[in-house]
Amino acid sequence: AQSVAQPEDQVNVAEGNPLTVKCTYSVSGNPYLFWYVQYPNRGLQFLLKYITGDNLVKGSYGFEAEFNKSQTSFHLKKPSALVSDSALYFCAVRDTGGSYIPTFGRGTSLIVHP
Amino acid sequence: DGGITQSPKYLFRKEGQNVTLSCEQNLNHDAMYWYRQDPGQGLRLIYYSQIVNDFQKGDIAEGYSVSREKKESFPLTVTSAQKNPTAFYLCASSIGTNNVYEQFFGPGTRLTVL
Repeated sequence: AQSVAQPEDQVNVAEGNPLTVKCTYSVSGNPYLFWYVQYPNRGLQFLLKYITGDNLVKGSYGFEAEFNKSQTSFHLKKPSALVSDSALYFCAVRDTGGSYIPTFGRGTSLIVHP
Repeated sequence: DGGITQSPKYLFRKEGQNVTLSCEQNLNHDAMYWYRQDPGQGLRLIYYSQIVNDFQKGDIAEGYSVSREKKESFPLTVTSAQKNPTAFYLCASSIGTNNVYEQFFGPGTRLTVL
């Protein structure tokens, strides 16, 4: 079975400060991990994914995520937040030994204050 | 929102009516999906299709039906049996059913029951 948790419903950060959006997962085998962003009344947009290799994954719009196997985490990060980063962020997981259907977290609302 | 289109953007349904949401993709993707999004609940899978003329129920298929007669089209019908259909509906596709592939999402259809 696979599951993913986003422990924070909302994250607030000041513009220019670093941001972190947390994601933890549970799988039977090895994980494939994904981050998506959703702006209001829009579909989800793919940001980045971890398949294998380097634990630090770089993605779109300056975002990156760090895979930590021992902590079963895949936190999304950005060194300097922009007001335009304000959106809903979803983490998703697939188990390498399981279905190709991903499990999504409930989403974290990121609010970047000017 | 890539090469996936959904129509209409907004849809209003009266009690007892069936309505059909359109989803078309020009990405030549084999797999397509329908999700329902409610506030605070993330994405819930309604139906998915790996290939033309084949589809499977997701976690919340009751009250919904789909067809996959063409590779590029995956319409969703919300029937009168769906007791609480007011939600934001998202269609997605992926290249195939390999676990490494990310999903591409359409812009969504917001359905409201009057």
